[in-house]
Amino acid sequence: ETGVTQTPRHLVMGMTNKKSLKCEQHLGHNAMYWYKQSAKKPLELMFVYNFKEQTENNSVPSRFSPECPNSSHLFLHLHTLQPEDSALYLCASSQGLPPDNTGELFFGEGSRLTVL
Amino acid sequence: GNSVTQMEGPVTLSEEAFLTINCTYTATGYPSLFWYVQYPGEGLQLLLKATKADDKGSNKGFEATYRKETTSFHLEKGSVQVSDSAVYFCALITFSGGYNKLIFGAGTRLAVHP
Repeated sequence: ETGVTQTPRHLVMGMTNKKSLKCEQHLGHNAMYWYKQSAKKPLELMFVYNFKEQTENNSVPSRFSPECPNSSHLFLHLHTLQPEDSALYLCASSQGLPPDNTGELFFGEGSRLTVL
Repeated sequence: GNSVTQMEGPVTLSEEAFLTINCTYTATGYPSLFWYVQYPGEGLQLLLKATKADDKGSNKGFEATYRKETTSFHLEKGSVQVSDSAVYFCALITFSGGYNKLIFGAGTRLAVHP
């Protein structure tokens, strides 16, 4: 079993749909992250939660709405997305925020999102 | 601002060839530096790291030395294997806006052929 599990692995949605991505970590970590991975671009940090509290919102459009009900679960709610939002969305967790955790993030396998 | 620049891929090598993937950074202060690897169909995982100037990180035959004078952290391996085929990401931690966060480069794809 991987330490960080993401579902669904693949998602196709229209611009008017509402969907959610889910992330669950089984490592006992207290910090969780959403990153966006687009082709030929650096990974973009979207949101960070530490002990369920949002500590980072990296100028992400409001059509992306995160939710962190507890330290083990993280959601990304999606609505009225654009085709340019198509990407691989990666969830990660760590024990404490950098630099306490020395920078090691544990990643899930990602959710491949396609917006039509 | 703070950023990481990697050489563009793909890098294509034959098995047992020598590998170098260049990485340079721009940052205020003295960030810790990392290499992450993403194998096909998987998430990223930490490969190695260095926390101060002249430190050498190493793991699985890969090495990288923190060079403050050239602001570089190039990844090297003496003899690559087919199983090393993956995307490699250079990253740094920086203190910005009262918060420490990990900043990644665009990634370099490595393809190793038998």
